[in-house]
Amino acid sequence: AQSVTQPDIHITVSEGASLELRCNYSYGATPYLFWYVQSPGQGLQLLLKYFSGDTLVQGIKGFEAEFKRSQSSFNLRKPSVHWSDAAEYFCAVGADRDDKIIFGKGTRLHILP
Amino acid sequence: KAGVTQTPRYLIKTRGQQVTLSCSPISGHRSVSWYQQTPGQGLQFLFEYFSETQRNKGNFPGRFSGRQFSNSRSEMNVSTLELGDSALYLCASSPHQGQGYEKLFFGSGTQLSVL
Repeated sequence: AQSVTQPDIHITVSEGASLELRCNYSYGATPYLFWYVQSPGQGLQLLLKYFSGDTLVQGIKGFEAEFKRSQSSFNLRKPSVHWSDAAEYFCAVGADRDDKIIFGKGTRLHILP
Repeated sequence: KAGVTQTPRYLIKTRGQQVTLSCSPISGHRSVSWYQQTPGQGLQFLFEYFSETQRNKGNFPGRFSGRQFSNSRSEMNVSTLELGDSALYLCASSPHQGQGYEKLFFGSGTQLSVL
């Protein structure tokens, strides 16, 4: 069964600084990988997803993620964060399209002015 | 197009009671999934319904149940409430069966407090 780990519960960065949120997955084959964001009091919104092909995936709001099979990782990056990026970020993994996806426990991002 | 609507937004119950939460998916979406979100455990998958059939189920006790109607609206029921059932319950819809096919559209959730 697949699983996903987000090692950082909280991350604090200054506005304008770069960001990297870590995600490690466990699955024998090539997984389906996702990053979702949850703003306070809201549901989750998909930032980007990886199914196959180019290992560098571009998403919405200026985010990107890189799939590294050798490290079983799918880290989320943004070159310059904005105060509005303060939210909770969830990495998720699926075995295939017709199955459920498993979410990590989330990383809460704090932005310093 | 209206988004995923969950009602009620907040709910307060006492131990031993039962509760029913409702989810109306985006028009045309046939898959509805339910999640329990707590600060310590993150999002935990409860179940998915597609065309009125339960397609997947998470590791929750039988007190948690759900159903989907012919118009794709879904309800989940929790019987004999326990303090540990206090959580944000999120519903997500998708046009297709399975959650990996394309993105899920989430509602804002129902915040359940059990006293």
